[in-house]
Amino acid sequence: DAGVIQSPRHEVTEMGQEVTLRCKPISGHNSLFWYRQTMMRGLELLIYFNNNVPIDDSGMPEDRFSAKMPNASFSTLKIQPSEPRDSAVYFCASSLSFDFITYEQYFGPGTRLTVT
Amino acid sequence: SQQGEEDPQALSIQEGENATMNCSYKTSINNLQWYRQNSGRGLVHLILIRSNEREKHSGRLRVTLDTSKKSSSLLITASRAADTASYFCATQGDTGRRALTFGSGTRLQVQP
Repeated sequence: DAGVIQSPRHEVTEMGQEVTLRCKPISGHNSLFWYRQTMMRGLELLIYFNNNVPIDDSGMPEDRFSAKMPNASFSTLKIQPSEPRDSAVYFCASSLSFDFITYEQYFGPGTRLTVT
Repeated sequence: SQQGEEDPQALSIQEGENATMNCSYKTSINNLQWYRQNSGRGLVHLILIRSNEREKHSGRLRVTLDTSKKSSSLLITASRAADTASYFCATQGDTGRRALTFGSGTRLQVQP
């Protein structure tokens, strides 16, 4: 298995531009998570999906952030418009979850986003 | 606020020594997990301990869980330079939000 795949690995964009991050979870996993990691705030959960349905998006910072999971093998995290404070490493993770219990999560390599 | 808080924030030891990291949390949990993150990489799952378990081993790793004190420890025995990484605990609550909540991590440096 190739593991969780994220693209792009690095993204540099100017303030105000739209940014789309992509994730392909491990085949067979039914939960997908988007995290953001910064030195100041550590690892923050942004949103997670179970069986392609958003379960908890309380971590999404504001309306500029949106996430979709159109099918079990693909998810996107979009920032529009982007701001310098969005600069961070964004991780996607997937796992198996049953009866609301989340087992070990498998993380992708991350997308390092820089907004100038 | 963070559910899990690791202690110490940073730890430097010599190769061959044991490393102990602690994690405290605030609410009732279903399970607690430990992850490792090498610089510039994603997190890697190390071990999961359920709330009804007190101790678990995996290779050179030993994890304990004390639900009465809401704390856990991760012991790495006979450390190696390759163990240099950040280590995070993550908890899953048994009510409400079921996603994992990660602590701020312990940076471990193992000197060769």
